[in-house]
Amino acid sequence: AQTVTQSQPEMSVQEAETVTLSCTYDTSESDYYLFWYKQPPSRQMILVIRQEAYKQQNATENRFSVNFQKAAKSFSLKISDSQLGDAAMYFCARKETSGSRLTFGEGTQLTVNP
Amino acid sequence: DGGITQSPKYLFRKEGQNVTLSCEQNLNHDAMYWYRQDPGQGLRLIYYSQIVNDFQKGDIAEGYSVSREKKESFPLTVTSAQKNPTAFYLCASSIGVESTEAFFGQGTRLTVV
Repeated sequence: AQTVTQSQPEMSVQEAETVTLSCTYDTSESDYYLFWYKQPPSRQMILVIRQEAYKQQNATENRFSVNFQKAAKSFSLKISDSQLGDAAMYFCARKETSGSRLTFGEGTQLTVNP
Repeated sequence: DGGITQSPKYLFRKEGQNVTLSCEQNLNHDAMYWYRQDPGQGLRLIYYSQIVNDFQKGDIAEGYSVSREKKESFPLTVTSAQKNPTAFYLCASSIGVESTEAFFGQGTRLTVV
């Protein structure tokens, strides 16, 4: 199976600081989509940011931005000015354009310290 | 309101019984998905469906079955062949092959005793 790998089971950051979560993936396709989802204690999955593989420009959503390195198959998430509400499990995901298969990584538990 | 509804939120079953988890969406999405999440772990794909009357196995399909008779509905049956059925189950949907993200239900916590 083509995989999505998050090598950091846990990360912590001080409030107002910046943290980067790592993700690498495997694919044989040239076109696909990448996502970061957040899962707070309520367990509701919330989309944080998405990136189309054909776009070279890195996606940004307010305090959240990605570093997309297509050749390296790397897709990291940077959270700036971390807030207590950012504490959650973060999942990286890849969606194929052919077949709609959506595959998730193992997740990174982010703790934000006051 | 548009969205995905999973029911029930909590489900208890005796070992050896089949149980069906409900997932309904009114977003007019073509693709639907079932994931299993164990404590402290990621989402593992059980089954997914791109269109009505079609579905594909995910990474951990053994012991599970699905149907997709209507666009809005994608029920998951956890059979007695599933060795460790106790888990949190999430249903999701997306437009399909286009770029939009998947939307998730609230999940069903299944406990088998």
